[in-house]
Amino acid sequence: GDSVTQMEGPVTLSEEAFLTINCTYTATGYPSLFWYVQYPGEGLQLLLKATKADDKGSNKGFEATYRKETTSFHLEKGSVQVSDSAVYFCALSGTSYDKVIFGPGTSLSVIP
Amino acid sequence: EPEVTQTPSHQVTQMGQEVILRCVPISNHLYFYWYRQILGQKVEFLVSFYNNEISEKSEIFDDQFSVERPDGSNFTLKIRSTKLEDSAMYFCASSEDSEIYGYTFGSGTRLTVV
Repeated sequence: GDSVTQMEGPVTLSEEAFLTINCTYTATGYPSLFWYVQYPGEGLQLLLKATKADDKGSNKGFEATYRKETTSFHLEKGSVQVSDSAVYFCALSGTSYDKVIFGPGTSLSVIP
Repeated sequence: EPEVTQTPSHQVTQMGQEVILRCVPISNHLYFYWYRQILGQKVEFLVSFYNNEISEKSEIFDDQFSVERPDGSNFTLKIRSTKLEDSAMYFCASSEDSEIYGYTFGSGTRLTVV
């Protein structure tokens, strides 16, 4: 079945460092890909998405490019802030009503 | 911005008791979901609901679970006889079209079974 794999962390970075969180997926067909973020004590928020190959999703300085050839959707940010400390989930969805399948999450801590 | 609203935010219940978790999805959304997250762990799919019926359910969603959309606005998850291992955060989500838009999640209900 469809699945998502991502680096599990935890990841600790200094403020203003470059962030990459790797995500790869296995799916039949051409899923949509998402990154969700969960801040401490809160629910899940959609961070960015891409619905087809070579699309780049971006939001709040984060970006990720849908790479069909490598089945990847790595999350990047050029300069992280303390407020970016959260758990980041890579996810995919196959059809309009299909469930979203989540990766295991990557915990990010940014220290001043 | 429209929100998915979940109540209560925290519920403590005794093992064996029934609980009902409530959700108000975004009004023009057609697809509804329940997920759970055991503390610090993966977000697990429970059930999807469309056109007043279950469209898919996971192996976690056994006979002790049920969902209902009783009045066209609320969307509820009932656990008939809670077990200690049901302790988790339960998230409701709704979507216009998950492939294009993703989900909008509620802020969750923390269920503690004692």
